[in-house]
Order: sequence, then C-alpha cells, then structure tokens
Amino acid sequence: EVQVVESGGGLVQPGGSLRLSCAASGFTFSHYAMHWVRQAPGKGLEYVSTISTNGDTTYYANSVKGRFAISRDNSKNTLYLQMGSLRAEDMAVYYCARDSRYCSGNTCYGGYGMDVWGQGTTVTVSS
Amino acid sequence: AIQMTQSPSSLSASVGDRVTITCRASQDIRNDLGWYQQKPGKAPKLLIYAASSLQSGAPSRFSGSGSGTDFTLTISSLQPEDFATYYCLQDYNYPWTFGQGTKVEIK
Repeated sequence: EVQVVESGGGLVQPGGSLRLSCAASGFTFSHYAMHWVRQAPGKGLEYVSTISTNGDTTYYANSVKGRFAISRDNSKNTLYLQMGSLRAEDMAVYYCARDSRYCSGNTCYGGYGMDVWGQGTTVTVSS
Repeated sequence: AIQMTQSPSSLSASVGDRVTITCRASQDIRNDLGWYQQKPGKAPKLLIYAASSLQSGAPSRFSGSGSGTDFTLTISSLQPEDFATYYCLQDYNYPWTFGQGTKVEIK
C-alpha cells in the first residue's frame, strides 16, 4: 500500500524547535518530490515547503522561510521538516504529501499536484 | 506569491444539485491548477490536476475547466459523500498557494 505517515508533533514553547518526520512506504521514495502542507485549527490549507527528489532543491512559503528546513533521507525513505523559532501562528496539523509526478533522472511524468497524503501530525505552540 | 481567490466561501445545496466553485489567480498560471476535497478530520484528496484532468479514482461527476486566471470545479450531481470543503491549489510556480476553501453544506 502506498502511504506516508507523519510523526514528531507535540507541544513546544514559543521560540522553540521541533522536527517532524514522514515515513514513506509502498513506492520508490527517491523518484518523487515531497511536500509539507499545514492547517491551523479551523482554517484552510497552507503550503509550507517542497523538496526535490534528490534534495538539491527546496522551496518555502514566505511565512516559514528562514525558520524551517525541509530535508530527506532517501536511504531511509523519510522526509523531514526542522522547525525553529516557532510562533503561535505555526500551530497546526502538518501534512506530508507526495508529489504526483514520477521522476527518473531529469525527466518527470504525469501532472502536478499532491496525490498521496498522510493523516497529519499536530504541532501545538504554547507556553 | 500568487494569490488564489475562491468563491463562494460556502454554499448550501441539495443532493442531485449541480454545484460550481470558482477560483481566480492573481496572474496567469496557464492550466497549473488542482482541486482538492477535504472532509472534517481527514487529509485532503486530489480530485483534479492540470485544471481539467480527473485524478485516478475520483468520481466522474467531478470536472474542472479553465486556464489563465479563471478556473471552475463542477460537481454534476451532488452526492451525500460530496459534502466537504474544496480547495484550489496553483502549482505554476513556488511557493504554491491554496485558495481559502469552499465549504459545501447540505441544504
């Protein structure tokens, strides 16, 4: 079964740090870009970050740039999000999602989008 | 960043109704737009990619159209399981951006 499972959420004080993980299974992890998306309580979806298949290229939402770092370990089929200088507005459910396109070498196939999502992990920022 | 504006923010409809949700981009995004469905407490689900392509497994009553700045998601005959919140997402350039969502409720 193709799936991604997030972990690492929890309670952290303002200004603190936290690392989220996303374990992938059922597909060749190294052939897919990966994303993080978050959703604050009662709010809509917010794009957070993207990492390319080999980890060389990363993108961030303006709201997290300079504070969050996305990374991946293809040998462990795991995606990470290192979060620092956390603020109350970072409190959310964080979802890991697979990019829809299959990439082999410099060629990618299929349409854009996020086609496999995890169940989310909750980050609470509070003193 | 590209701004995505969805309308309406919510709507009430009955089973069997035809429902249309629109999404407008702040600049030309070609057809680089997807539609997602989210039910309470659940992860989002991809319905439409590239503005009009139906994702594998998504019901055929869902369709998408548009290009450039104006896009539409249509549900041809609303079913009980379609009551949810729908989001558009531009994947034209980074940072990708979501619309604010449209909640489809039972009339």
